[in-house]
Amino acid sequence: DAKTTQPTSMDCAEGRAANLPCNHSTISGNEYVYWYRQIHSQGPQYIIHGLKNNETNEMASLIITEDRKSSTLILPHATLRDTAVYYCIVSIYNQGGKLIFGQGTELSVKP
Amino acid sequence: NAGVTQTPKFRVLKTGQSMTLLCAQDMNHEYMYWYRQDPGMGLRLIHYSVGEGTTAKGEVPDGYNVSRLKKQNFLLGLESAAPSQTSVYFCASSLYGTSGALQETQYFGPGTRLLVL
Repeated sequence: DAKTTQPTSMDCAEGRAANLPCNHSTISGNEYVYWYRQIHSQGPQYIIHGLKNNETNEMASLIITEDRKSSTLILPHATLRDTAVYYCIVSIYNQGGKLIFGQGTELSVKP
Repeated sequence: NAGVTQTPKFRVLKTGQSMTLLCAQDMNHEYMYWYRQDPGMGLRLIHYSVGEGTTAKGEVPDGYNVSRLKKQNFLLGLESAAPSQTSVYFCASSLYGTSGALQETQYFGPGTRLLVL
């Protein structure tokens, strides 16, 4: 599976957009990009995923570059409850669902 | 609809003792997974199951065994606990699907904190 690179930590002001980058320069054509987050001591929570096109749901937006070598997760109006570790994962679907978690980005939303 | 539940929430074991962690899901999901998470690290896959009666090894399977006798339950066993198995254990489940990315959209339980002395 392709590996991902994320910044170790980021800060964001409450109410502002949080833009979390992820590099996946070795991603292959049939690999999806997934984002999960883990709020302190809880189980991870699925946020969003995409293949080529940008995606949006009620939680976030996912912007994938045209060459698919990087992506950005956008939380449009960050709140204190969005403070968490965010994991960017690439995976081939239909392969038993095996996800490889890296160390993620620790996002701190500050008042 | 409880989602994914894990039993127990916390346990202390002595080296050499055995125990079983139970994961249950009520979403009729085909796939189930066991992960461990050590301090400051991401999750690592221990074992997984793609259906009732089937299991497979993940990234770090040594020292663990699993069983999936019923679709809704996935058990993780430690036959002889070691201090290196002190960790937080998460169970997850997902749907089976031949299109889209359903298998990677996993729903996680609250975790079991295990301390081996």
